[in-house]
Amino acid sequence: GAGVSQSPRYKVAKRGQDVALRCDPISGHVSLFWYQQALGQGPEFLTYFQNEAQLDKSGLPSDRFFAERPEGSVSTLKIQRTQQEDSAVYLCASSSGLAGVNEQFFGPGTRLTVL
Amino acid sequence: AQTVTQSQPEMSVQEAETVTLSCTYDTSESDYYLFWYKQPPSRQMILVIRQEAYKQQNATENRFSVNFQKAAKSFSLKISDSQLGDAAMYFCAYRHQGFGNEKLTFGTGTRLTIIP
Repeated sequence: GAGVSQSPRYKVAKRGQDVALRCDPISGHVSLFWYQQALGQGPEFLTYFQNEAQLDKSGLPSDRFFAERPEGSVSTLKIQRTQQEDSAVYLCASSSGLAGVNEQFFGPGTRLTVL
Repeated sequence: AQTVTQSQPEMSVQEAETVTLSCTYDTSESDYYLFWYKQPPSRQMILVIRQEAYKQQNATENRFSVNFQKAAKSFSLKISDSQLGDAAMYFCAYRHQGFGNEKLTFGTGTRLTIIP
């Protein structure tokens, strides 16, 4: 596709529900990133894939957060037993994975509200 | 760990005037990249300008330029001839240079308002 797409754009969940957020990166992009952006804050790194390999998951806040990219393209971020503090915008970004500056292109984000 | 600080939560500027947004960072590395991203109300983050730390020359992209002071760990963004479309949140970001460690560390952002 022309850019990074994310779905759904908005998600409302009751506390305790599981949610799945999808990211479609730019075609051919090797690297994929997930960030969490709380209201009024800058994005914070969650996890990073290179193809299907999850190289860094140091930013995942708890074991309720799980991300996968099984075929090296589409990625899903899953949050189990959602809590109110999980309410945020979840941003996905992709990059070519080539050496150098390697710009990250961002999707529009999924706004998650946990009631 | 690297940190990025933006000390101006909000800034405003008259249309056609010039404004400078501040950013400082902390790192023990000598090679890295710095970025300014723009996030309009629609939320999609857009790269404005980038700087490689090994380059002494300040980056410029049309009306946008940076003042990169490596020793002071300062990376400010200057917007000349401000336009209404420049209104957005602006984030400064840091990235390690090494391959395979490409996560961005962002500041808390500066909200820029353009006054017609």
